[in-house]
Parts: sequence; C-alpha cells; structure tokens
Amino acid sequence: EAGVVQSPRYKIIEKKQPVAFWCNPISGHNTLYWYRQNLGQGPELLIRYENEEAVDDSQLPKDRFSAERLKGVDSTLKIQPAELGDSAVYLCASSVGQTNEKLFFGSGTQLSVL
Amino acid sequence: RKEVEQDPGPFNVPEGATVAFNCTYSNSASQSFFWYRQDCRKEPKLLMSVYSSGNEDGRFTAQLNRASQYISLLIRDSKLSDSATYLCVVSHSGNTGKLIFGQGTTLQVKP
Repeated sequence: EAGVVQSPRYKIIEKKQPVAFWCNPISGHNTLYWYRQNLGQGPELLIRYENEEAVDDSQLPKDRFSAERLKGVDSTLKIQPAELGDSAVYLCASSVGQTNEKLFFGSGTQLSVL
Repeated sequence: RKEVEQDPGPFNVPEGATVAFNCTYSNSASQSFFWYRQDCRKEPKLLMSVYSSGNEDGRFTAQLNRASQYISLLIRDSKLSDSATYLCVVSHSGNTGKLIFGQGTTLQVKP
C-alpha cells in the first residue's frame, strides 16, 4: 500500500516568491494534516482537515499561507509571499477517521528561502 | 514555557546499554500520549502509544505519571539501529485532539 506522498522533495526559492506543496494521503484516510518542522524542533500543526473541511487552522498564518483540500483527497499548501523564516520542512500526515491514534507522515518538503 | 518539554540530548550510549528519556507536559487536561521516532532526515513514525498502566513492546517500555505530568521511555539493550530522535507527543482531547510534539531527544548508540 502506498504511503503519504508529497512533492516536491526539495524547493529553493527567493524571498517574496510564491511556493506550493502537494500531498496525497493514504487511500481511505479522511483526516489530513499539514505540519511545519524547524531544525531541531518537533513538528507544529498548521492545519487539519476532516474530509474537505478545515477543522483546525488556528496555527496557520493566514496572511501568507493558504491550503485547500478539494474533493477531500489530496491537498495543496501555498505560501505567498515566502519569507526567510519560512525555511523549514513541511510535513503532510493522514489518519483513519477522526482519530489521532496513529498518524502516517509523508517524507516532507524541505523549503529553503534565500 | 513549552507545552511539551524534552531534554534534546544528545544521549550517547554504548550498545547494550539501557537508556531512559523523560518528557513533561504542562496541560493537566492532556489525555493521550505517544512516542514517535524520527530518523535523520526522515519523517516521524509512531513508536508506541502510552497507556496509564504503562506498556511494553519488546525492548521498549513507556510509562505515564499523571500526577507529575511526565512520560518516560525506557530502551533496554540498545542497538545501533535505535539511533534516532524520539519525539514525545501529547493530545489534549483524547483521540480526536490536536497532537503537540516535543522537540525530541536525540539518541546515538555507539559500537
């Protein structure tokens, strides 16, 4: 069974440029999460979806970040414009139903903003 | 103060050693607890859930102390392959709540 798929694996951009990350969760997992992980820190939740509804986006910096999960399957996270402090690994995860008992993470997108 | 705190280490131990990590959490309403493992430049993966009565999975034992608000992970007979970062994870609202990750404790097992 395929795991959570993310792309791209790496992205290097200049500040003020836009960037987008894509995630395809495990088939049948209706809960999808976007996390950001800074170097030496644990992942921090940006947004959680149950199907196509964003049920927790309290940590998403809405002035520059946006996310969508049309049709309740794959998802896109966008930053526009990117800032130097956005450099991090962006992780997508999915889980079965609404439970957080076990999250399956993708391999992440490492973003470098120059 | 962070909601979930861990000693970042690194813990450097020889093969075969027993090592223990502690993690403290600040929200007394926390209900679910987990340990995740993250290899270098890889994604986190669930190692084990932590139950009130404590639980064991092979060489790994997890304990929860609600009164003192800390969680521990004990690894016996350390292997080289145990080298990784161990993330303590807490949820406020049982199995549907947001997961709060600690910064992780890095373990290096030496030959």
